Amino acid sequence: KAGVTQTPRYLIKTRGQQVTLSCSPISGHRSVSWYQQTPGQGLQFLFEYFSETQRNKGNFPGRFSGRQFSNSRSEMNVSTLELGDSALYLCASSLIGGGNQPQHFGDGTRLSIL
Amino acid sequence: DQQVKQNSPSLSVQEGRISILNCDYTNSMFDYFLWYKKYPAEGPTFLISISSIKDKNEDGRFTVFLNKSAKHLSLHIVPSQPGDSAVYFCAASGTSGAGSYQLTFGKGTKLSVIP
Repeated sequence: KAGVTQTPRYLIKTRGQQVTLSCSPISGHRSVSWYQQTPGQGLQFLFEYFSETQRNKGNFPGRFSGRQFSNSRSEMNVSTLELGDSALYLCASSLIGGGNQPQHFGDGTRLSIL
Repeated sequence: DQQVKQNSPSLSVQEGRISILNCDYTNSMFDYFLWYKKYPAEGPTFLISISSIKDKNEDGRFTVFLNKSAKHLSLHIVPSQPGDSAVYFCAASGTSGAGSYQLTFGKGTKLSVIP
């Protein structure tokens, strides 16, 4: 069974640009969550989508946005990139999200801002 | 304010011995707890979880213990193997409402198993 797939694996951007990251969940999983991992802050929740609707959002500025498509694939967009946005962005999927269900992670997209 | 804390950044254990990783939480709304293992350049891999209605859950060499009154959980790995060397993250969530759709992570403990 294929796992969570994130593309691209690595990305280099400059300040002020915008970026779109993609995530394909495990087949049959309908909940997709996004996390940011940095050395200082650890893993922090960005947002969660189910049936194309955002159900929960973490404490990040509006420059961070996402969406989910009818096939459960999800994208995350960051606009007006700042140096502090350099991080590993992880996507996780679960069957329906919430409750007693583990989330399964992809290998992430490493974003570097110059 | 850190709601999930892993106070030991690193731990070294001899192969074959027991590894004990600890985690404390402060949010009383948390009632589902998970452990993940992470190798460099890979995403976290789900290991084991426990619901607050239990105090122990076992899966092979891995056992998670939950002490709700102390808001403390631990992961025991017996026997430890060199392949267990990785960063271990403790995570928690609620099981109802918006809080059930996100995981709150500790900052991780790097386990080194020495052959």
